[in-house]
Amino acid sequence: EVQLVESGGGLVQPGGSLRLSCAASGFTFSSYAMSWVRQAPGKGLEWVSAISGSGGSTYYADSVKGRFTISRDNSKNTLYLQMNSLRAEDTAVYYCAKQPDPLRAVAGDAFDIWGQGTMVTVSS
Amino acid sequence: EIVLTQSPATLSLSPGERATLSCGASQSVSSSYLAWYQQKPGLAPRLLIYDASSRATGIPDRFSGSGSGTDFTLTISRLEPEDFAVYYCQQYGSSPPLGTLTFGGGTKVEIK
Repeated sequence: EVQLVESGGGLVQPGGSLRLSCAASGFTFSSYAMSWVRQAPGKGLEWVSAISGSGGSTYYADSVKGRFTISRDNSKNTLYLQMNSLRAEDTAVYYCAKQPDPLRAVAGDAFDIWGQGTMVTVSS
Repeated sequence: EIVLTQSPATLSLSPGERATLSCGASQSVSSSYLAWYQQKPGLAPRLLIYDASSRATGIPDRFSGSGSGTDFTLTISRLEPEDFAVYYCQQYGSSPPLGTLTFGGGTKVEIK
């Protein structure tokens, strides 16, 4: 079964850091570009960051550029999001999501598999 | 950045009725790279339609997508009880590094 499982969310103070993980199973992880998408409480979806299958290409939304870093360890089938200088407006459920077509550009595709999400709350 | 505007914000219908959801783009979506997702409370989004009109694996044929350019539509031919949810559109035609992925604000389909 194709599955993504996020972890690492929690409560952090403004200015703090957090690292999210997404464990993948059931598919050849290294072949697929991956993204992080977030959803603030009661709000819509916002794309955050994407990474190529090899990890060599990374992209970020303007709202997180310079503060967040996406990475992956293909030997461990795991995707990461390092979040620094956190702000109240970063409070959201963070989902990892897989692109369905290994031949499409990074972040140039829909998302066919999503994790269950992990909640990040930034508050003092 | 391509802004996606979904309408209506809320659609109140009865089971068995037809639902028509709209997604308008501020600029033409390249290659009709537009997807539709369904999201139920407390759950992750589920991919329904990609490339404007292709159904994702396992999606019932009562769901269909159409459109091109700046106007896209998701149609649910006959609403089943499990179809009451929030629906989002997403464009990926203008993607990094020159653009950014964007989602619409959502349409809630509620039971009348």
